[in-house]
Amino acid sequence: IAGITQAPTSQILAAGRRMTLRCTQDMRHNAMYWYRQDLGLGLRLIHYSNTAGTTGKGEVPDGYSVSRANTDDFPLTLASAVPSQTSVYFCASSDGHSNQPQHFGDGTRLSIL
Amino acid sequence: GQNIDQPTEMTATEGAIVQINCTYQTSGFNGLFWYQQHAGEAPTFLSYNVLDGLEEKGRFSSFLSRSKGYSYLLLKELQMKDSASYLCAVRDSNYQLIWGAGTKLIIKP
Repeated sequence: IAGITQAPTSQILAAGRRMTLRCTQDMRHNAMYWYRQDLGLGLRLIHYSNTAGTTGKGEVPDGYSVSRANTDDFPLTLASAVPSQTSVYFCASSDGHSNQPQHFGDGTRLSIL
Repeated sequence: GQNIDQPTEMTATEGAIVQINCTYQTSGFNGLFWYQQHAGEAPTFLSYNVLDGLEEKGRFSSFLSRSKGYSYLLLKELQMKDSASYLCAVRDSNYQLIWGAGTKLIIKP
């Protein structure tokens, strides 16, 4: 079934540890996105990539990094996790055209202790 | 700054009609999206508006007025499975989506 796969589904992590959230899509979409979703707030964009080989900063990029080595994969790395990064993380993709929606993965629930 | 406003929570009765409003102030406008998100799940796309007027898709309709910075999502013949959060998002001048916090819709029998 075509779509976006995120891993892990959930994770508990000690503060200060490094963590990479994985995201893979098989729809050949050009654009990919990482959001965090916190209670009472809208989805907030962390980083995005309009096409393989390029990345950009979103609204809340500090403490996170991404790479886009190929079309399908867009990993998100927390170099040194802090408790404020406890959140639900969603990866999304779109074909980049303005009238096309973003499609979301099932999310990763991350708790930093 | 950019801002999307939606009611936090609404309650409606099974079989009835409910209208969820969204007002926005963004730097530029390149379309408005509505998504549905069930608790613990990913958002799923419902509708897209870029021109003024009403877009109808089955039991769901979405309306846009660009001059008023206003949209609504209309849900008819409500079913229990419609209990979810409904997210409004506007694509700004940089073609990034700006998201509202969502409206939690509770359906009562």
